[in-house]
Amino acid sequence: NAGVMQNPRHLVRRRGQEARLRCSPMKGHSHVYWYRQLPEEGLKFMVYLQKENIIDESGMPKERFSAEFPKEGPSILRIQQVVRGDSAAYFCASSPVGGQRDEQYFGPGTRLTVT
Amino acid sequence: AQSVTQLDSHVSVSEGTPVLLRCNYSSSYSPSLFWYVQHPNKGLQLLLKYTSAATLVKGINGFEAEFKKSETSFHLTKPSAHMSDAAEYFCVVGGGSYIPTFGRGTSLIVHP
Repeated sequence: NAGVMQNPRHLVRRRGQEARLRCSPMKGHSHVYWYRQLPEEGLKFMVYLQKENIIDESGMPKERFSAEFPKEGPSILRIQQVVRGDSAAYFCASSPVGGQRDEQYFGPGTRLTVT
Repeated sequence: AQSVTQLDSHVSVSEGTPVLLRCNYSSSYSPSLFWYVQHPNKGLQLLLKYTSAATLVKGINGFEAEFKKSETSFHLTKPSAHMSDAAEYFCVVGGGSYIPTFGRGTSLIVHP
């Protein structure tokens, strides 16, 4: 059973470009969570999605950030017009249907560098 | 509401000596508590979890943690540190909300 997959693992973007981060949850998991980790800090919740639904986006910045989890395919975290402050590690986690939602399984992360 | 405090940002031990990483939490609900480990440039791996069963929880790689409600603590221990244990450790509180709250992390340094 493959774990949570994220790609790319490393992403470099210039200021003003768009960043697209992808996450495929574990097989059998239908809940996806995105987190951001700044250097020497813990993970900060961004958004919680189920298939075709955003359940909680209370941690998402109001502008430039969006997330989706379509019926088919991976979840996407999109950052438009990136700025240097967006440089961070972005982690995706998933949890199973019917399981405890706070028991989450994490992917390896995407490290975004904005130059 | 819930919060978690990891009392030490860095812990330094010698190989073969015991490890203690401290975590205190607060929660309006009966909490679920987790410890995760993150090796450099890697994702987070679940070490162990407490979900209102036994208060002493055994995890992977020889780690264990004890839930102490009276002290609102969930400290992580290991009898004998190994070089490969050097990593960042996160204490996490959940339960009552599907959004777990992460501590800021404790960096474990293991000296030969």
